[in-house]
Order: sequence, then structure tokens, then C-alpha cells
Amino acid sequence: QVQLEQSGAAVRRPGASVKISCKTSGYSFATYHVNWVRQATGQRPEWMGWVNPDGDGTAYAQTFRGRVTMTSNISISTAYMELTGLTPDDTGLYFCARGLSLGWFDPWGQGTLVTVSS
Amino acid sequence: DFVLTQFPESLAVSLGERATINCKSSRRLSYTSNHNSYLAWYQQKPGQPLRLLITWTSTRESGVPARFLGSGSGTDFTLTITTLQPEDVAVYFCQQYYGTPPTFGQGTKVEVK
Repeated sequence: QVQLEQSGAAVRRPGASVKISCKTSGYSFATYHVNWVRQATGQRPEWMGWVNPDGDGTAYAQTFRGRVTMTSNISISTAYMELTGLTPDDTGLYFCARGLSLGWFDPWGQGTLVTVSS
Repeated sequence: DFVLTQFPESLAVSLGERATINCKSSRRLSYTSNHNSYLAWYQQKPGQPLRLLITWTSTRESGVPARFLGSGSGTDFTLTITTLQPEDVAVYFCQQYYGTPPTFGQGTKVEVK
């Protein structure tokens, strides 16, 4: 079955960066985009952007543009999301999810908790 | 951006009874009234990722019980759980994919009365 497995929780100081991996299996990696969605505790999910493994095209939400970089390694069916210039407001759960350039998200990775604290 | 507003924010329903969740969009989510609306519904249980339930307003995903019904058009949408089961306790989110960026509602928490 289709699975997305994310890297583990991370704790960072303000100003640092974090890079999360999302290893996929069970489908043709190049056929779908990998989207990234952030969810602060008790808040609605917030779309961050996507990477298209077929050519490495990307699209980022305006909120994160300039601080986020999404990449992929097609040889190991893995996508990455790096966020720089972290502040405490970046604390939350970060999910990868399979999707298209615009559509629904299915399935989702288990989530990676990022905590930003001094 | 398309703003989705869900109501109520929470509701408590007796087992076997109906739960109704509403989602209102700031803009239409279809090209015309005859076209499907670009709206999905998800379920999220504590500590878990979102699970896709419904796409295109009313199309249930494989494995989703028939008690989950999606309806609506234009700017107003509803997710109905016809007979609430204990495993349905969760937060439910709507999501539009008509415009970029895709956006979510703030969620509705469903509990057992």
C-alpha cells in the first residue's frame, strides 16, 4: 500500500533551520507531487507547497516563500522540506502528503514535530 | 485566498444519532452550478495524520463507511455522519482545491454525548 514515512522530531533554536525527509513507497514516485502541510497545535492545516519529483518543479505558499526549499531524490523515492530562519511560531507538526499540483492530499505521512525554542 | 469557515466548532452527539458539520467558502468552489465543487473532507484523530474521506463534495474514498455523506454546492457544504459510531470521534476538516493555495477549514470536533 502507499506509505509516506517521515523523519523524527526535531528541536531547534530560533534562527536555525530544519530539514525533514519523507520516504515514499507503494507507488510510482514520479507520478505524484509531494505536498507539505504544517499544523500548529489546535489549528487548521496550512499548505506550504509541493515538489514534483518529475523534473523537480516546485510551488510554495506566499507565507513561506524565501524560507522554504522542497526537493526530491527520485532514486530513493524521498522528498525533503527545509525551512530556515525558524521562529517559535514555526513550532508545529509538519506533514508530507501525496497529491497533485492542485487537489486533495492522500495519504499523509505520520507527521514530524518541530519545536522551536530558546 | 479562499477562506473556509466551519460550524459548529464542536458538537456532541449520542451514539447512533446524526452529526452534521457545515463548511462555508468565501467564494464559489465550482465553475458553474452544474459542475462538481472542488471540496474534500478529512478526519483527524488525536496524534494521527489527516485521513481523506470525501472528494468532489460527495465522493467517498475506498473504505470509508457509507454513513459519511458529503453534500452541497457553490459556497455551502455539509458533512453528515448519519449514525455516529464510537470510532467517529475526531476532528473533521474541509479543504478546497479550486484555487491556489489550497486551504482548510478550522475544524469541527465531534464527541459522544
